[in-house]
Formats: sequence, structure tokens, C-alpha cells
Amino acid sequence: AQSVSQHNHHVILSEAASLELGCNYSYGGTVNLFWYVQYPGQHLQLLLKYFSGDPLVKGIKGFEAEFIKSKFSFNLRKPSVQWSDTAEYFCAVNAYGNKLVFGAGTILRVKS
Amino acid sequence: KAGVTQTPRYLIKTRGQQVTLSCSPISGHRSVSWYQQTPGQGLQFLFEYFSETQRNKGNFPGRFSGRQFSNSRSEMNVSTLELGDSALYLCASSLAAQGNTGELFFGEGSRLTVL
Repeated sequence: AQSVSQHNHHVILSEAASLELGCNYSYGGTVNLFWYVQYPGQHLQLLLKYFSGDPLVKGIKGFEAEFIKSKFSFNLRKPSVQWSDTAEYFCAVNAYGNKLVFGAGTILRVKS
Repeated sequence: KAGVTQTPRYLIKTRGQQVTLSCSPISGHRSVSWYQQTPGQGLQFLFEYFSETQRNKGNFPGRFSGRQFSNSRSEMNVSTLELGDSALYLCASSLAAQGNTGELFFGEGSRLTVL
């Protein structure tokens, strides 16, 4: 069965610090990979996605993620975080249809 | 363009009762998926409907069921409620082209509390 592991449950950063959130998945076939974000009081929304092609994908608000197939990883990065990036971040994988398998989530708090 | 709309937003039930949650997808989206979100288990897939047919199902007991109507609106039902069913139930819609992109648009959820 597919599974997704996110390395950190809570991350606290100061503004302007760099961010990297780890995500590893287990599935032997072709997968689509996603990062979703849930800002306080808001619904889940797509941050970025990888289906194929360039393994470095760029999303909204300056976020990017790199797919490393050999490591089954899809880490999320941002060079300089802002207070408004405070949110919970979910990595997800899907191999069929619209069934997504989500990681446990990482709560990011950015101190101003 | 209106987003995914879920009703009711909050509800409280007692053990043994049943509950029906409703979801209206984004206009033009034909796929509707349901997820359960709890602090302990995180986000778990319940089922997906496309063109009124269940296309995929997660590992939940038969007390959890759903359906989709011809206008793509969907309902999910939980019968014989248990305390552990307390959760945020999220609906997500997708264009769900043949390629199955898996890109979902989520609603704000229905928060169910079972007493």
C-alpha cells in the first residue's frame, strides 16, 4: 500500500529563514505528487504538483519542490519564509484516480 | 467561480444516530471525493464518485456510504455513529479528465462531533 512520510511534525522558523520540509513516499510505480497547504481557518489548497518532466517544480508564493525518484522523495523548499507562510503543509501521492494518500502534515510557524 | 460548498459546516450527533453530509462541487467538475481528517489519523480517503459511480473506495467500514447525483452533487452518510467518527469531513472536486490528474479542490469541511 502507498504511504507518505513527512519528516517533521512541527517546524518553527524566523522570517527570512530558509525552509525545507521533507517528504518520502512508498510506491513502486508511477505516481503524481502534491503539496497542499492549509492556512489557519482556511480550506486545503494546492501549493504545487508534479506529474512528469522537470523534477524541479515551482508553485505559488515562491515555493518549489524537487522530485528525486531514486530517493522516493518530494521535498518542499522556500528560500525565505514570511509570517504569512504559517500553515500546515501536507505532502500527498496518488497513483490512481483521485485517491490521494496524505502524509501526517507539518505545522509551520513563522515568527515575525 | 464558486468553490466547493459543504453543508452543514458543524453538527453534533449522539452515538447510534446517523448523519448525512452534502457537497456541491465546482461547476463543471464531475468527480467528488471525500476525506476524513482527524488529529490522530490525519487525512484519510473515504471514496470517490464520478458520473454517479463510485470509482474508488478507502478502508472504512460499511457504515460509511456515499452517492452522487446527476448534477454531480454528492452526499455521504454515516450510520450508527461512534465516538471515533468525530472528525472534519472534507469534500473535494476535480475535473477528473481521463488522465486522472488527481488535482483536487477542497471545501471547508463539515465538522462532526459525536457525543
